[in-house]
Amino acid sequence: QQQVKQSPQSLIVQKGGISIINCAYENTAFDYFPWYQQFPGKGPALLIAIRPDVSEKKEGRFTISFNKSAKQFSLHIMDSQPGDSATYFCAASINDYKLSFGAGTTVTVRA
Amino acid sequence: GAVVSQHPSRVICKSGTSVKIECRSLDFQATTMFWYRQFPKQSLMLMATSNEGSKATYEQGVEKDKFLINHASLTLSTLTVTSAHPEDSSFYICSARGARTLGGTQYFGPGTRLLVL
Repeated sequence: QQQVKQSPQSLIVQKGGISIINCAYENTAFDYFPWYQQFPGKGPALLIAIRPDVSEKKEGRFTISFNKSAKQFSLHIMDSQPGDSATYFCAASINDYKLSFGAGTTVTVRA
Repeated sequence: GAVVSQHPSRVICKSGTSVKIECRSLDFQATTMFWYRQFPKQSLMLMATSNEGSKATYEQGVEKDKFLINHASLTLSTLTVTSAHPEDSSFYICSARGARTLGGTQYFGPGTRLLVL
């Protein structure tokens, strides 16, 4: 039973466009929400993370929006580039311990 | 900083043999290490959690006698797949977590591709 539900499963975006990936959770004890980027045959790399005391965090072209009351958070990739083509996983944990991962979203950026 | 390495990057073995995978935190002390398994086009599934000097805690459904985990130091954890079978073929990934006072972020290794023939 997946504790973090992620959508869509895949998306295609044109170069320069915006990619949006959504995640939802049920466990209100979660207090850390990271996003990971994974390329084929590689381990996941931390992209950006947020804690529930803020509603938005931006790092370069990547932004996390967090809605505590709705128990949802999303990743926005602005000005998408072909190099952003990868699988993105949202995750959640309690006290920075075990991570519960979403199912993943494969993003394809068309040049 | 915060680099985690795994060795080997890929391994092919015969059915019935044992395979050891090493996970090292290169520039920080890992109070906790996690082992995951990932099948093609699927998410990461947590197998076990190990704290330095303690016995590993396995997730439900993971055979502890088959997947032996040792966390002998603050920079090294090993996963041994004993009597490997073709169904154990997968991508095994470790992560390492430093002290929470340092942020508590999990950093992942590059993964080990295991193929059992």
